[in-house]
This record gives sequence, structure tokens and C-alpha cells, in this order.
Amino acid sequence: GEDVEQSLFLSVREGDSSVINCTYTDSSSTYLYWYKQEPGAGLQLLTYIFSNMDMKQDQRLTVLLNKKDKHLSLRIADTQTGDSAIYFCAESKGRSGGYNKLIFGAGTRLAVHP
Amino acid sequence: DTAVSQTPKYLVTQMGNDKSIKCEQNLGHDTMYWYKQDSKKFLKIMFSYNNKELIINETVPNRFSPKSPDKAHLNLHINSLELGDSAVYFCASSSSSQGRYEQYFGPGTRLTVT
Repeated sequence: GEDVEQSLFLSVREGDSSVINCTYTDSSSTYLYWYKQEPGAGLQLLTYIFSNMDMKQDQRLTVLLNKKDKHLSLRIADTQTGDSAIYFCAESKGRSGGYNKLIFGAGTRLAVHP
Repeated sequence: DTAVSQTPKYLVTQMGNDKSIKCEQNLGHDTMYWYKQDSKKFLKIMFSYNNKELIINETVPNRFSPKSPDKAHLNLHINSLELGDSAVYFCASSSSSQGRYEQYFGPGTRLTVT
């Protein structure tokens, strides 16, 4: 997406950490999200971070947000073969009334090898 | 129980035909969306309805017409199908009252126009 950029591919060894990076452009985005898409499946919400936070940890997932640089990252600890998927970063474009639209990055394809 | 469901899962049709895709959510959400994912996995919002009212209408050909008979359903009708309409169409839903606005996606409908 033109507003959200991600690297397209990442290859890691099983057991290592994976770091997927994302940059966004809208500084007014209140929430930023990470979604996972496995082959032939829909998008699964992994985690989100509010814009006034720097970090959020959820089991093996750590999200880091640098609001000044508009940079978001997703770290997956102890990466497993089941983590192989496409990971989408998304920023929310808020609207009055409490509903929003998500602007997605192009997705990072994570390949985990033995 | 499936939270966001779509029918059909696969749809193969010829150019010029008219087809519909249906979406239902049982999450009690009041906002529903249609996204299009192209062959490069790029996701772009098409429409959004809040309480049966159209609130987002991106630059989409008017051959695409969404309809929301109630808060739990959002259908997409496509007239005069073209080759470029081939894609995976995802439905999503969210709640405008939760503040976080995270969207939950259906499994997708893969449309192939021949």
C-alpha cells in the first residue's frame, strides 16, 4: 500500500527470532495492527498497539513502535514452522463516529526453515 | 461457531456474468467491510457499512454494489464481470463502540473470471 511499506520477504531458521518491519505515513493513526495470513486462509488479527505505547508484549510476540520515525516492528521469538505465513502491518485511518478503515502494507512473507 | 463467514468460498464464472458474494458475522458488530486482495496479496478496502449505512466507498467501479440488509450481513453484487475482477474478496467486521476498532476477517471468496 502506498501509505504503509514492508519488506516483502524474510527467511529465518527455526528457533531463531524473526523481526518484521513496517513504516507508515499517517501520524494521526491511533492504532496499528499486525495480521497473519496463512495460505488459502483469511487474515487473523495477531496483535495491535495503541499509538501512545512504545512496546507491547504478548507471549512470543513483541511489538515496538517508534512514533517519531513512524516505524513499527513485530518480533517473533523462537520462530516455528507454523509461523510461516504472510504478515501484514496496518494503520487505522479514523473517522468520526468511531469506525475506521485499515490501510495495509503489501505483506511480508515469512519462511521458516529447519 | 464461525465468527465471520462468507459464501461461496470459490466462484468461477465467465466475463459478462453477474454474481453475488454473501457475508455474515455473529460477533454482534455494527460495522462491516469488503476488501479486495489481488494476486500480489495487496489488500485494499472497497466498502464499509455501519448500522446498514454506507460510510466508506472507495474508488470502485459502479459495477460493484454492496447491500446490507441488517447489521449482521453485508453482500456484494458484481455486474458485468471482467477479467480484472479476479481476486480474493474478504469481508470483515468491527465494533464502533470498542475503541480499538480491530477488524475480524472472513475466510475469503476466491473469484476467478474466465
